[in-house]
Amino acid sequence: DAGVIQSPRHEVTEMGQEVTLRCKPISGHNSLFWYRQTMMRGLELLIYFNNNVPIDDSGMPEDRFSAKMPNASFSTLKIQPSEPRDSAVYFCASRRGAGEKLFFGSGTQLSVL
Amino acid sequence: DQQVKQNSPSLSVQEGRISILNCDYTNSMFDYFLWYKKYPAEGPTFLISISSIKDKNEDGRFTVFLNKSAKHLSLHIVPSQPGDSAVYFCAASVFGSARQLTFGSGTQLTVLP
Repeated sequence: DAGVIQSPRHEVTEMGQEVTLRCKPISGHNSLFWYRQTMMRGLELLIYFNNNVPIDDSGMPEDRFSAKMPNASFSTLKIQPSEPRDSAVYFCASRRGAGEKLFFGSGTQLSVL
Repeated sequence: DQQVKQNSPSLSVQEGRISILNCDYTNSMFDYFLWYKKYPAEGPTFLISISSIKDKNEDGRFTVFLNKSAKHLSLHIVPSQPGDSAVYFCAASVFGSARQLTFGSGTQLTVLP
């Protein structure tokens, strides 16, 4: 199995630009999570999907952030417009079911200048 | 308000000695605890877990201890090896919450040869 695949690995953009992060979960996993890692807060849960349906988006910081999961094998996290304080590593993770281990992708390092 | 806290951002130990990583939590509803390890440029990977019905779980060189009355858990690595150098995240979840994981901010462990 290829594991959770995220793209791009690195993204450098200018303030005000739209950024789209992509994730392909492990086949057969029905839950998908987006996390953000910062020095101050560690790993913060932004949103999670169960069977492609958003269940909890209370961690999404602002309306500038949106996430979609159009099918079981693809999800996007969009930031529009981006700001320098959005700079962080964004991780996607998936699991087979509640109580199962969470598998993480390698992350997207986002830098907003 | 961080419900899972790792108060030591970094820890250095000599190869062959014991590494002890600590984690405190505030939510008494947490009943399942996990440790994840993260190498640079990679996503976190599951290391070991413990249910609240236990106070100790061991897997090879890794042992997790849980003190429910103190709301404290620790990860012991014996003996420590240079390959253990990584960021270690503590995480916790509540039964019935779809097992969303709440992560701490992480501790950078450096094992010196």
